[in-house]
Amino acid sequence: SAVISQKPSRDICQRGTSLTIQCQVDSQVTMMFWYRQQPGQSLTLIATANQGSEATYESGFVIDKFPISRPNLTFSTLTVSNMSPEDSSIYLCSVTEGGGNQPQHFGDGTRLSIL
Amino acid sequence: QKEVEQNSGPLSVPEGAIASLNCTYSDRGSQSFFWYRQYSGKSPELIMFIYSNGDKEDGRFTAQLNKASQYVSLLIRDSQPSDSATYLCAVTGGGTYKYIFGTGTRLKVLA
Repeated sequence: SAVISQKPSRDICQRGTSLTIQCQVDSQVTMMFWYRQQPGQSLTLIATANQGSEATYESGFVIDKFPISRPNLTFSTLTVSNMSPEDSSIYLCSVTEGGGNQPQHFGDGTRLSIL
Repeated sequence: QKEVEQNSGPLSVPEGAIASLNCTYSDRGSQSFFWYRQYSGKSPELIMFIYSNGDKEDGRFTAQLNKASQYVSLLIRDSQPSDSATYLCAVTGGGTYKYIFGTGTRLKVLA
């Protein structure tokens, strides 16, 4: 399966700042997804990032808060903007290598803490 | 609202026993079913996936799917302490490629 590198692995940020998380894949993939996992919770999909089109956001997530880029088939970024303590979470990217029903594989995640 | 439900556990089993993890889903149109293992502080790791009714075996793991009853289960044979983790069930289909995750079941294998 694809090797997924996510950076940074963790960060501690000040309230009101923004952080961009990078997701790099070692092969071209069709779909990339961004998730949030709050402490003790399951995964919640933030958005789907497809190359060449705008990201598709899930209910409760907006582009102004979580802008996403997908410049090519191997790379995507998620920015968490104007952060507050409620944004403290693990952010994960995942990819599928084939069609929509193929398994997703996850990066190692970014553990984000907001002071 | 499409839902995927799992017992949060913890499910405790002795080493060498069979661990049985269950997942039910609400969308009858669901097509693809996945089991992930997540160790504390780590990202989810794919264990099994199943698309058709019946059993699918891979080593010590068996996934079972019953679409009529809308449940999918994961059996772990000869459980080891290293199997102690949270197991997440994910479901797609019914016209979408997006995963819906269950809340996960925490498994403890006692040495």
